[in-house]
Amino acid sequence: QKEVEQNSGPLSVPEGAIASLNCTYSDRGSQSFFWYRQYSGKSPELIMSIYSNGDKEDGRFTAQLNKASQYVSLLIRDSQPSDSATYLCAVNGEYGNKLVFGAGTILRVKS
Amino acid sequence: NAGVMQNPRHLVRRRGQEARLRCSPMKGHSHVYWYRQLPEEGLKFMVYLQKENIIDESGMPKERFSAEFPKEGPSILRIQQVVRGDSAAYFCASTTTSGIYNEQFFGPGTRLTVL
Repeated sequence: QKEVEQNSGPLSVPEGAIASLNCTYSDRGSQSFFWYRQYSGKSPELIMSIYSNGDKEDGRFTAQLNKASQYVSLLIRDSQPSDSATYLCAVNGEYGNKLVFGAGTILRVKS
Repeated sequence: NAGVMQNPRHLVRRRGQEARLRCSPMKGHSHVYWYRQLPEEGLKFMVYLQKENIIDESGMPKERFSAEFPKEGPSILRIQQVVRGDSAAYFCASTTTSGIYNEQFFGPGTRLTVL
């Protein structure tokens, strides 16, 4: 079983729609969760972090965490073509500082 | 504020040569992490260093790979006797302190091609 799982996609949404990206993790001791955006050929860019159950909003982005169900999601409202990228879910475990990444979900926003 | 800096951005080596990748953390950051992204694969943790100390090298291949973060200067990831399978993007990230709640910020990466 992979430690962090994401649907590889691609997830296609029309411009202006809500994009919903999901991630599940296996380590129940995980404490911190991050969403990174990676454009093709570029480095990962941190867009959201979340540590407690519930929702965290930042502009058009909302991260949702449910530790009991071991999933974390990212909602992107009013999706724009510039949001087209690979979205990486990353989890930091109970004992270390290393991030464990999912394989990423490709998002395509069509105008 | 300058972000995480990595150089070179692109590196081409022939099989058997050595590759040296450098990473300068963000200003005020003293913790450095190296990750590797193989083609069509996700990011994999390699090593976590603080100044003059390797804290966690659980993701480093046992042979040919080494890392250091000296008191002065950048962190260096060294790959000896490169093979084609080493071709990948190598990313460095940094944080201000240790701890699982710290956000890691990534540099632009070094894309290594082994011929």
